[in-house]
Amino acid sequence: EAQVTQNPRYLITVTGKKLTVTCSQNMNHEYMSWYRQDPGLGLRQIYYSMNVEVTDKGDVPEGYKVSRKEKRNFPLILESPSPNQTSLYFCASSYRSPGSYEQYFGPGTRLTVT
Amino acid sequence: GENVEQHPSTLSVQEGDSAVIKCTYSDSASNYFPWYKQELGKGPQLIIDIRSNVGEKKDQRIAVTLNKTAKHFSLHITETQPEDSAVYFCAASKGGGADGLTFGKGTHLIIQP
Repeated sequence: EAQVTQNPRYLITVTGKKLTVTCSQNMNHEYMSWYRQDPGLGLRQIYYSMNVEVTDKGDVPEGYKVSRKEKRNFPLILESPSPNQTSLYFCASSYRSPGSYEQYFGPGTRLTVT
Repeated sequence: GENVEQHPSTLSVQEGDSAVIKCTYSDSASNYFPWYKQELGKGPQLIIDIRSNVGEKKDQRIAVTLNKTAKHFSLHITETQPEDSAVYFCAASKGGGADGLTFGKGTHLIIQP
């Protein structure tokens, strides 16, 4: 089944404790992206990657890191989480071929930083 | 950068009636406009999209219209059903969709029985 998986689905942590949220897709998509969703603010892009070893900042990159060592994986790293990073996070992937730009979203990771 | 405004934030309609959600965008270079539906506890899912060389697109009960001059596009849902209840997001992209999306803030559509 074609899908984007994220782990963990729920995470409660404390300020300053490094964490990683994993994202994996099995569709051989070139493009991958991370979004955060907050009430009243919609979906805001954190980082994206056009392909392996190519990453770039989105609209709200502060406090986050990413890496793209393999085509299928795009982990999101919070080196020192703070309470303002409490949010619902979505990973998404898509092809970059003309006519095939639909983004497929994972199920989301709900992060609480206390 | 691109800015996408979406209205209304909440829309309640009677089952069987039509629903319209409107979005405006700021960057005239944007050329791809998808709509995503997010059901409770799930990630957004594409329901329909339109490119700047097309004025209207329809898929069964769902249609999207685009006015490039006014820089606005709309989602129309006819004969609404309970399963249409969800949050809907519009988005815009310059690279035909290849270089990422800027989303609106979302519309919570409630279908009243």
